[in-house]
Amino acid sequence: GEDVEQSLFLSVREGDSSVINCTYTDSSSTYLYWYKQEPGAGLQLLTYIFSNMDMKQDQRLTVLLNKKDKHLSLRIADTQTGDSAIYFCAESISPKTSYDKVIFGPGTSLSVIP
Amino acid sequence: NAGVTQTPKFQVLKTGQSMTLQCAQDMNHEYMSWYRQDPGMGLRLIHYSVGAGITDQGEVPNGYNVSRSTTEDFPLRLLSAAPSQTSVYFCASSYEGPYGYTFGSGTRLTVV
Repeated sequence: GEDVEQSLFLSVREGDSSVINCTYTDSSSTYLYWYKQEPGAGLQLLTYIFSNMDMKQDQRLTVLLNKKDKHLSLRIADTQTGDSAIYFCAESISPKTSYDKVIFGPGTSLSVIP
Repeated sequence: NAGVTQTPKFQVLKTGQSMTLQCAQDMNHEYMSWYRQDPGMGLRLIHYSVGAGITDQGEVPNGYNVSRSTTEDFPLRLLSAAPSQTSVYFCASSYEGPYGYTFGSGTRLTVV
């Protein structure tokens, strides 16, 4: 089956690193995504990683992928109060049709304490 | 500004009423989708379209209809609103490929 799981809440102090974890179940996933949702807004794509990669770094963001364990993580270095938001993990599954089905996790609400 | 525009932002309906949520994008994206967001459940796909004239059902299509007469527009129709359809609705679009979605800012719908 297809499912994406995340812990629902995370609280960190400003300046610390945040690590948001995600597990997925479909081994045929091609791309995995992290989205950020600020209050009252839509989701914003932060980064994505292809399933044959182990790591991707983009400024303060580091994505780690353990394909064997089907585990994805997002590390935010030097977390700021502006990083407070809900973070969604998502996997793209390529079915036999041309449409890449995207499954979203429930989202992790990150609270940054000043 | 280029992007996905959703209207209205807020709506209250009475049970049994019908309405259309509007979605328009100006990026010439082939793919468009409607999701609903409920607390603790992430986003669930309602309907999607891979191009003008082509639509298909997602995970939770019951009670909703869509059409795609142009590349730009992808309206979502609620046929007879029910309290279970109280949710936040997001429209999203993308090019074909791994580029991720561009989301609208959402429509918060309450059915009483």
